Amino acid sequence: EADIYQTPRYLVIGTGKKITLECSQTMGHDKMYWYQQDPGMELHLIHYSYGVNSTEKGDLSSESTVSRIRTEHFPLTLESARPSHTSQYLCASSEYGTAPETQYFGPGTRLLVL
Amino acid sequence: SQELEQSPQSLIVQEGKNLTINCTSSKTLYGLYWYKQKYGEGLIFLMMLQKGGEEKSHEKITAKLDEKKQQSSLHITASQPSHAGIYLCGADWDSGGGADGLTFGKGTHLIIQP
Repeated sequence: EADIYQTPRYLVIGTGKKITLECSQTMGHDKMYWYQQDPGMELHLIHYSYGVNSTEKGDLSSESTVSRIRTEHFPLTLESARPSHTSQYLCASSEYGTAPETQYFGPGTRLLVL
Repeated sequence: SQELEQSPQSLIVQEGKNLTINCTSSKTLYGLYWYKQKYGEGLIFLMMLQKGGEEKSHEKITAKLDEKKQQSSLHITASQPSHAGIYLCGADWDSGGGADGLTFGKGTHLIIQP
């Protein structure tokens, strides 16, 4: 079982608030990812990281930002939440250099912006 | 057009029956991943296939990758209520081993009727 955690699991927040979704993994994985999943829709990659101080944008454009100061931690921030940001956000990690790399997912954060 | 297609979109099966879910790629796969997702939760890794013709099994779930590495099937034998959920296939087309994340299908919603 993967040791990857996300907090909070559920978040209801008003428009304009700043929010940070936390993701931590204890597997020592270098690679980490954020996916966005709208209800009934497929997952889309919004950010990924190869390791500390590395952040890249994914296939789906997102107003969120990420940081990678520590290997185990990959938080996602929305400076000003809007209803269009309502979605489920899934964090994943994988071990770099093991091709192909299996990604292990956290439980997700369900965000509702009112 | 969709690069990764799953079929069927939804499936209702009587408990104890066998079922098959398909995943078709528009181009040759480097790796194909199968995940299961409970509604509103994260993804649980099931299996990864890389070699043409490869077949893997875990308990009552068997996944195969065709010789051309463009189609995979997931077969569940003697289905149980615990098999209910959303099954997602994820494609890695990059020989770099998923460096830029996976592309997912829309998922197959599986319901097991008692």
